[in-house]
Amino acid sequence: EVQMLESGGGLVQPGGSLRLSCAASGFTFSSYAMNWVRQAPGKGLEWVSAISASGLSTDYADSVKGRFTISRDNSKSILYLQINSLRTDDTAVYFCAKREVYGHFDYWGQGTLVTVSS
Amino acid sequence: DIQMTQSPSSLSASVGDRVTITCRASQDINYDLAWFQQKPGKAPKSLIYAASSLQSGVPSKFSGSGSGTDFTLTISSLQPEDFATYYCQQYNTYPFTFGPGTKVDIK
Repeated sequence: EVQMLESGGGLVQPGGSLRLSCAASGFTFSSYAMNWVRQAPGKGLEWVSAISASGLSTDYADSVKGRFTISRDNSKSILYLQINSLRTDDTAVYFCAKREVYGHFDYWGQGTLVTVSS
Repeated sequence: DIQMTQSPSSLSASVGDRVTITCRASQDINYDLAWFQQKPGKAPKSLIYAASSLQSGVPSKFSGSGSGTDFTLTISSLQPEDFATYYCQQYNTYPFTFGPGTKVDIK
């Protein structure tokens, strides 16, 4: 059974940093691209970042480019999102999502809440 | 960036109703369109991919159609567990944009 469990969220002040993790199991993690998607309270879904199966290729939404860094450890089946220079509009639930080969997001984690507030 | 729109933004329906939601892309995305269902406090759940393919384990009352820029999601007979928000997403070109969502609630 595919499972993904995010962690690392919490309350942080503007300008602060956090590292989110997504621990995956039930599939060959190193064979699939992974993504982060966020959802601000009461709002819709926003794609944030993607990383290739090897980790050599990454993409970011313009809203987070230069502040967020996606990475992965295929030996541990863990996806990361380093988020720096946090702003109040980064407040959201952050989901990790597995991408089927050249395809859609087939499995999602349950999400971790990041709250940016002074 | 490819902009995704959905209509309606919300709808009220009764158990047993047939419901159709439309999604439009601002440029041709071929068949690279997915539909997700999300209930409050939960992660999105994949329903449809490649515009019309049913995700494994999803009941056949859900169906999708379309290509290019215009797509639809149909629920053939609405059941209590189907009241949720539905999102479309294009995965043709980064950034992989989502539609704003359609909330389906009980009439």
